[in-house]
Amino acid sequence: GENVEQHPSTLSVQEGDSAVIKCTYSDSASNYFPWYKQELGKRPQLIIDIRSNVGEKKDQRIAVTLNKTAKHFSLHITETQPEDSAVYFCAASSTGGYQKVTFGTGTKLQVIP
Amino acid sequence: GAVVSQHPSWVICKSGTSVKIECRSLDFQATTMFWYRQFPKQSLMLMATSNEGSKATYEQGVEKDKFLINHASLTLSTLTVTSAHPEDSSFYICSACRRGDTDTQYFGPGTRLTVL
Repeated sequence: GENVEQHPSTLSVQEGDSAVIKCTYSDSASNYFPWYKQELGKRPQLIIDIRSNVGEKKDQRIAVTLNKTAKHFSLHITETQPEDSAVYFCAASSTGGYQKVTFGTGTKLQVIP
Repeated sequence: GAVVSQHPSWVICKSGTSVKIECRSLDFQATTMFWYRQFPKQSLMLMATSNEGSKATYEQGVEKDKFLINHASLTLSTLTVTSAHPEDSSFYICSACRRGDTDTQYFGPGTRLTVL
C-alpha cells in the first residue's frame, strides 16, 4: 500500500518568514495530493491540492510543488502569520475503485510573532 | 455547500458499552464515506471506507466486528464502537465524497470518545 512520509515533524518560524514542509510517497499510482490544516480538536481543512499532471500550483501565500519522478511534493507558505500556526498534513490518493487517502504524519507549525 | 456533520461531538461512556456515531452530509449526496481515527498528536488513520448500499471495506488491523459501519443512505453513515474499552478512546472523524467528485473529501467536525 501507499506510504507517505512527512518532514519536519515540528517547525518554528518567525512571523513573515517562509515555511516549507516536504512529503514523499511510495505508490507511483497516486495522482492526487491534498494538503490539510488542522487546528487542535477540529476537523482537517483542505488548503490546497495538486494533481499529477501539474508541477506547481499557487493560491495567494500558499504554493505546492510536485516532482512525480522523485515522488516528492512540498508545501510552501510565504509571509507566515500567527494564524498559520496549526498542524499540517500532506496526503496522497489514487483513483480507481474507491479513493483511499493516505495521510502523512503531520507537521506542527508554530509562527512566532 | 458540502457540509458534513457528526453527532455526538463528544461522548463519555463506561467500559463494555457500545457507542454509535453518526456522520451526515447535509447538502449533498455522499456516495462514499470514510471513517478515521486520530490519537493525540498523531495523524489520521483510515479505519474503513463505506459505500452506500454495500458493506464497508476495513483497513488491515481494524476489527470489523468491533467497529460496525452502516451506510444506510446517501446522506448517513454510522460507526458503532461495540464493547468499548479505554484504548478505544480517540478522536473519530468521518469524511464524505460528493457524487461525481471522488477526490475531494469533506470532513466532519469529529467525535471525541472517552471510555472510562
